[in-house]
Amino acid sequence: EDQVTQSPEALRLQEGESSSLNCSYTVSGLRGLFWYRQDPGKGPEFLFTLYSAGEEKEKERLKATLTKKESFLHITAPKPEDSATYLCAAPHSSASKIIFGSGTRLSIRP
Amino acid sequence: DAGVIQSPRHEVTEMGQEVTLRCKPISGHNSLFWYRQTMMRGLELLIYFNNNVPIDDSGMPEDRFSAKMPNASFSTLKIQPSEPRDSAVYFCASSATLAGFYEQYFGPGTRLTVT
Repeated sequence: EDQVTQSPEALRLQEGESSSLNCSYTVSGLRGLFWYRQDPGKGPEFLFTLYSAGEEKEKERLKATLTKKESFLHITAPKPEDSATYLCAAPHSSASKIIFGSGTRLSIRP
Repeated sequence: DAGVIQSPRHEVTEMGQEVTLRCKPISGHNSLFWYRQTMMRGLELLIYFNNNVPIDDSGMPEDRFSAKMPNASFSTLKIQPSEPRDSAVYFCASSATLAGFYEQYFGPGTRLTVT
């Protein structure tokens, strides 16, 4: 069964304290891994697409990496405005739809 | 661009009433998605349209739910009759297939409360 699992469920960091969020997947013939950011009361906002193991993408303080079994979202020297829920997703192996993970709720204290 | 537009933003209704949620996708996008988000189940795809045609409705929970896309700039999701367990945030998203099917742009959502 295709699955996308995120950990931890919640993460609280001090401003400037770097860390990583994990997304593991069991999807046959992976056709991409996607990261979204969701702020309270808003819809998810697309961040990155990764297509192959070893690929990396960066945006400001965020860097997404991909291996054959998992993806990491590294956050370097985070600021309070980086507080949000981060969702990862992957295309279903046999259907034209995306499977979303349950998200990591990131909170950055000033 | 105004982004994906959804209305209403909030809807409170009584059990048994009909509810209609509306979505205007980004101009030029030809794929449209309806999602439901709850604390218990996370973000779930309900139905997906491509070029106004429903492609996959396997996520629609039951016959009480229906969706239409009469033209490229408008879609509706209807629940009739509504039940308390339908309470959730409903998102509409669109994507431009040629630019990347999975790079979806979400609207602000409709928070539905059924009492």
